[in-house]
Amino acid sequence: NAGVTQTPKFQVLKTGQSMTLQCAQDMNHNSMYWYRQDPGMGLRLIYYSASEGTTDKGEVPNGYNVSRLNKREFSLRLESAAPSQTSVYFCASSKREGYNEQFFGPGTRLTVL
Amino acid sequence: GQSLEQPSEVTAVEGAIVQINCTYQTSGFYGLSWYQQHDGGAPTFLSYNALDGLEETGRFSSFLSRSDSYGYLLLQELQMKDSASYFCAEEAGSYQLTFGKGTKLSVIP
Repeated sequence: NAGVTQTPKFQVLKTGQSMTLQCAQDMNHNSMYWYRQDPGMGLRLIYYSASEGTTDKGEVPNGYNVSRLNKREFSLRLESAAPSQTSVYFCASSKREGYNEQFFGPGTRLTVL
Repeated sequence: GQSLEQPSEVTAVEGAIVQINCTYQTSGFYGLSWYQQHDGGAPTFLSYNALDGLEETGRFSSFLSRSDSYGYLLLQELQMKDSASYFCAEEAGSYQLTFGKGTKLSVIP
């Protein structure tokens, strides 16, 4: 099993460009999450999907949109990238009833110039 | 609101024991998780406490006191590979975890 996979691993954007970060899991988990991690800030939740067909805002949703494409895939879209969105983005998944144990992907390192 | 406090850095000697503390302030608290993250890597789950007391997993143990809104991660027989950042994370309902800012542990020979 690959666990949680993310693409791309690295990306550089110019201000105003858009892009979609892809995430997939093969553990048959119901719940999926997107976090961003900035130096000294820990992990902050952007959006989550408790189950297929539902999405909800986390702590820092502004400037992002998500799509839960199916049970396996959960994508994060930046419509108009800003330098403040330079960060490392992690996707994670968990069983719905055990969301305290989350499995993380390798991350996407995004730089917005 | 939710907030977690943990020390930003801890240094310990190889073979020793180190304790990383975490205090939380929230209503509707369900439990406390701990995650490890090596530089450049992804966070990995270590342990979870929903009830008061000690949970042991090999060299790592985690403790929770709900009455004191406090928990800690205990690492025994420290190895160089334990050098990493450690995050406590609070489970407070709504299928969300709130993470602390992390404690960077440096293990020295």
